[in-house]
Amino acid sequence: GEDVEQSLFLSVREGDSSVINCTYTDSSSTYLYWYKQEPGAGLQLLTYIFSNMDMKQDQRLTVLLNKKDKHLSLRIADTQTGDSAIYFCAESRESGGYQKVTFGTGTKLQVIP
Amino acid sequence: GAGVSQSPSNKVTEKGKDVELRCDPISGHTALYWYRQSLGQGLEFLIYFQGNSAPDKSGLPSDRFSAERTGGSVSTLTIQRTQQEDSAVYLCASSLKGGKRSYEQFFGPGTRLTVL
Repeated sequence: GEDVEQSLFLSVREGDSSVINCTYTDSSSTYLYWYKQEPGAGLQLLTYIFSNMDMKQDQRLTVLLNKKDKHLSLRIADTQTGDSAIYFCAESRESGGYQKVTFGTGTKLQVIP
Repeated sequence: GAGVSQSPSNKVTEKGKDVELRCDPISGHTALYWYRQSLGQGLEFLIYFQGNSAPDKSGLPSDRFSAERTGGSVSTLTIQRTQQEDSAVYLCASSLKGGKRSYEQFFGPGTRLTVL
């Protein structure tokens, strides 16, 4: 079945760049996503990329996709303390008329002031 | 309301009791999803609704788990004879079906279930 893996923890200093990595197994993925979960809250879509794209940039966020290696990364430039959260990588594929999403375990980002 | 709401926010129950968790999706969202988030685990898919029907319930872990949706809106996830391993955060999400924004799921804050 589909599997999405990511490291559990990342610690960076405020102002540095953060890079969160993810690998997935489903070669028929349609979209790949990064969701952010702040303490006590649900998940919020941060950004997404179509599976036929290599890169997407959105302000401080850069998503890189290596489809051959099934590797997705999220780079956060100038990381701020407000970026401290759990970041979930996810992929989806068409299934019965909807996008079935498989989530990773989440990477907890700790930003040190 | 503006977002997905879930109730209760916290539920503590005794082993063997039944619980009902409620989800109010965003108005107009025809697709509704339930997930389970356990400590150190990712989000585990439970069930997907399109309108009132559930074309994919493959993630329900046992027959103690059931869900329904009425009026194409509110959904209830029921866990019968709860076990300690059912303790988790249960998240609900909704989305549009079809169209440019169908890829985005909007999540509620979750219900934290603790089974003693």
